[in-house]
Amino acid sequence: QKEVEQNSGPLSVPEGAIASLNCTYSDRVSQSFFWYRQYSGKSPELIMSIYSNGDKEDGRFTAQLNKASQYVSLLIRDSQPSDSATYLCAVRPGSGGYQKVTFGTGTKLQVIP
Amino acid sequence: EPEVTQTPSHQVTQMGQEVILRCVPISNHLYFYWYRQILGQKVEFLVSFYNNEISEKSEIFDDQFSVERPDGSNFTLKIRSTKLEDSAMYFCASTGPAGTGELFFGEGSRLTVL
Repeated sequence: QKEVEQNSGPLSVPEGAIASLNCTYSDRVSQSFFWYRQYSGKSPELIMSIYSNGDKEDGRFTAQLNKASQYVSLLIRDSQPSDSATYLCAVRPGSGGYQKVTFGTGTKLQVIP
Repeated sequence: EPEVTQTPSHQVTQMGQEVILRCVPISNHLYFYWYRQILGQKVEFLVSFYNNEISEKSEIFDDQFSVERPDGSNFTLKIRSTKLEDSAMYFCASTGPAGTGELFFGEGSRLTVL
């Protein structure tokens, strides 16, 4: 069973702090990695995608990938109350467009004003 | 901004009834998916669809489920005989021609089976 593991949280951080969200995956051949944000009762929304080892930055978000350790993380700088949501890590085995994306259970983030 | 649209937003049905959930993917997207999320649980893959046929399906997607793209825009999920455990939010998603795997989700259809 190919798994994506996340700490369910909640992770509470004060406004303006850095939130660090972590994810591990079991399938060594995974090639594509994604972070989605899901507000309560809403659909997942893509925040970041990362395909190669290292860091990828987009505004206040930085995704980090370490394939050797099978580890993906998301840093949110200057956290805002509007960032309070569940963050889903997702993994895909290869590059075929039809291939399924497997989601973790998500980490609930609470940003305290 | 282009978006994936889903109807209905909420459907209540009796156990054993047939249900059809509809989706209009983003117009230039080629890969289509159905996922479901039982309340409080993770988003689970059901099926992927490309070039008018199923590409991959999960063990959840048994003979009670079917998908089709009856015209150039709609993508449907049919559940032939609903069970209580089919109650969930069903999300349609699509990916662009590059097949990057970046999923764009619709707002979801909440199915309640009584």
